[in-house]
Amino acid sequence: AQRVTQPEKLLSVFKGAPVELKCNYSYSGSPELFWYVQYSRQRLQLLLRHISRESIKGFTADLNKGETSFHLKKPFAQEEDSAMYYCALSEAGGYQKVTFGTGTKLQVIP
Amino acid sequence: EAGVTQFPSHSVIEKGQTVTLRCDPISGHDNLYWYRRVMGKEIKFLLHFVKESKQDESGMPNNRFLAERTGGTYSTLKVQPAELEDSGVYFCASSQDRLGVEQFFGPGTRLTVL
Repeated sequence: AQRVTQPEKLLSVFKGAPVELKCNYSYSGSPELFWYVQYSRQRLQLLLRHISRESIKGFTADLNKGETSFHLKKPFAQEEDSAMYYCALSEAGGYQKVTFGTGTKLQVIP
Repeated sequence: EAGVTQFPSHSVIEKGQTVTLRCDPISGHDNLYWYRRVMGKEIKFLLHFVKESKQDESGMPNNRFLAERTGGTYSTLKVQPAELEDSGVYFCASSQDRLGVEQFFGPGTRLTVL
């Protein structure tokens, strides 16, 4: 069965400090990994996906198939990064359902 | 371009009553998905429409839940009769008819069953 694990419910960091939101997954096939973000009073939106290898708002995430991880990183946290972050996966290249982790609330302290 | 819209934004009903949630996907999006987040748990997939057809309904919790998408445009999700454990936020998402494209989410409907 596919599963996404985010071990931290809450992560508090000071502004300017590095951020790492952890995500591990289990999936028998070939997954596509995502990070979704939900800012206060806004809808869930895609932040980045592993196949695009982009850096969005300074965030990056590298898929490590050996460790089955997809941690989200940013070198210097900003106050506007405070939000709920969800790691997710789906079957690569399909219309398939998205499986989400429980989410990590990132709180950036000014 | 308007995003995915959901109605109502919040619904409070009593156990045993019926509630119908509506989702209007982005115009032209053939794929429509329903998800649910109950308190303290992850967002879980409920079902997937391609146009008016149910492609995958493996996540529907039981037969008290009925989803429809007549005409392949908007979709409704009816809960009848509602139970306390149905409380949560129901999200709708839509995507284009191309492989591997992004799903765009609606704002969600918060359902509270008393």
